[in-house]
Amino acid sequence: AQTVTQSQPEMSVQEAETVTLSCTYDTSENNYYLFWYKQPPSRQMILVIRQEAYKQQNATENRFSVNFQKAAKSFSLKISDSQLGDTAMYFCASQQLNSGGSNYKLTFGKGTLLTVNP
Amino acid sequence: ETGVTQSPTHLIKTRGQQVTLRCSSQSGHNTVSWYQQALGQGPQFIFQYYREEENGRGNFPPRFSGLQFPNYSSELNVNALELDDSALYLCASSLGTSGGFTYEQYFGPGTRLTVT
Repeated sequence: AQTVTQSQPEMSVQEAETVTLSCTYDTSENNYYLFWYKQPPSRQMILVIRQEAYKQQNATENRFSVNFQKAAKSFSLKISDSQLGDTAMYFCASQQLNSGGSNYKLTFGKGTLLTVNP
Repeated sequence: ETGVTQSPTHLIKTRGQQVTLRCSSQSGHNTVSWYQQALGQGPQFIFQYYREEENGRGNFPPRFSGLQFPNYSSELNVNALELDDSALYLCASSLGTSGGFTYEQYFGPGTRLTVT
């Protein structure tokens, strides 16, 4: 079974500064994806960034980047130049790539509420 | 390209009643997954449908059931509602393949269900 742990229930950052959200996961599989999703007050879950476990290079998407440490099973999200619109709940999630059944489900952490202050 | 839509937005039901939630998948997607998100928690996987067949189920009782239609839209049905069923129900669509791989899941805005 997969588990995802986010140890920071809440974080805050000043506008234009950089913040890092932590995530650790546990899986017995070699093939999996890791994701960060953002859920603003509007409730819509929005994909922020994706990392394939077989890739050593850390994924980046504009101001968002990850630090993927496979051996440590760590997957942190760095947000640079934070903006007010980044205020949201951030969820780390994993997805196995094995065949069959519910192995394609997303397993989520409990989330980190990020507040960007002006 | 039309995104994932869900209806209704909000719903209030009484304990013991039955409810049906609906989801229209994104254009080109053939897989729908349903998640339950309790207040202050991450989403929990309920089940997934691929080309009208259930393709996996999470740890939810049989009173949670679903359907997927030929146009790949989907319904989530919950019978004998309990107070603990109060949650945000999220639908996610994705492109699945016959080999079993599912690409990224795109979420709808959710249905907020309150059971009193």
